[in-house]
Amino acid sequence: EPEVTQTPSHQVTQMGQEVILRCVPISNHLYFYWYRQILGQKVEFLVSFYNNEISEKSEIFDDQFSVERPDGSNFTLKIRSTKLEDSAMYFCASRFGAEGEKLFFGSGTQLSVL
Amino acid sequence: SQQGEEDPQALSIQEGENATMNCSYKTSINNLQWYRQNSGRGLVHLILIRSNEREKHSGRLRVTLDTSKKSSSLLITASRAADTASYFCATDGGIQGAQKLVFGQGTRLTINP
Repeated sequence: EPEVTQTPSHQVTQMGQEVILRCVPISNHLYFYWYRQILGQKVEFLVSFYNNEISEKSEIFDDQFSVERPDGSNFTLKIRSTKLEDSAMYFCASRFGAEGEKLFFGSGTQLSVL
Repeated sequence: SQQGEEDPQALSIQEGENATMNCSYKTSINNLQWYRQNSGRGLVHLILIRSNEREKHSGRLRVTLDTSKKSSSLLITASRAADTASYFCATDGGIQGAQKLVFGQGTRLTINP
């Protein structure tokens, strides 16, 4: 079965540094998402992306966050100036259609901000 | 918030027993989905039930949906040690063209051999 791949699997950074989390969604998918999960707790929606623009974002997704699809395959999440509370597992997900279809998740990037 | 709430937060049973997890949500929905997460891994889709459906089966999984009570249940029959994982329900908020899924807190299921 096709997979969503995320790199790196672990990222350690200093507070205030910029990080870029990378994702390669499934090739024919059209809708892309970032979620995060703190310490195995609830999975929180960050942002959805369709047709090369953000379609929805949560309150968590403030000006420090941005997403980009620089080419036909990669989908990135950038955090400009990381805070301690950004430490979490970040999941990329994709799906072909918007409604009534399942999300395919990557294995996640564990971000630790020191 | 449309967020689903799973109940119980944690469930520990013996192998071979049935496991039932519940989900309540607040808004209308087009569909409700259940996902599984093994420790430290991404979520994997298990089953989807549409708002006009009341029950759905897939292998050892049985999902029910009661839209009048805004609740769903996931039953895993004849549990196995490999079913140990966290289980999440996810809803779409009932908006046409809605793109995001909102996940609940999850139920941590432990199957004891």
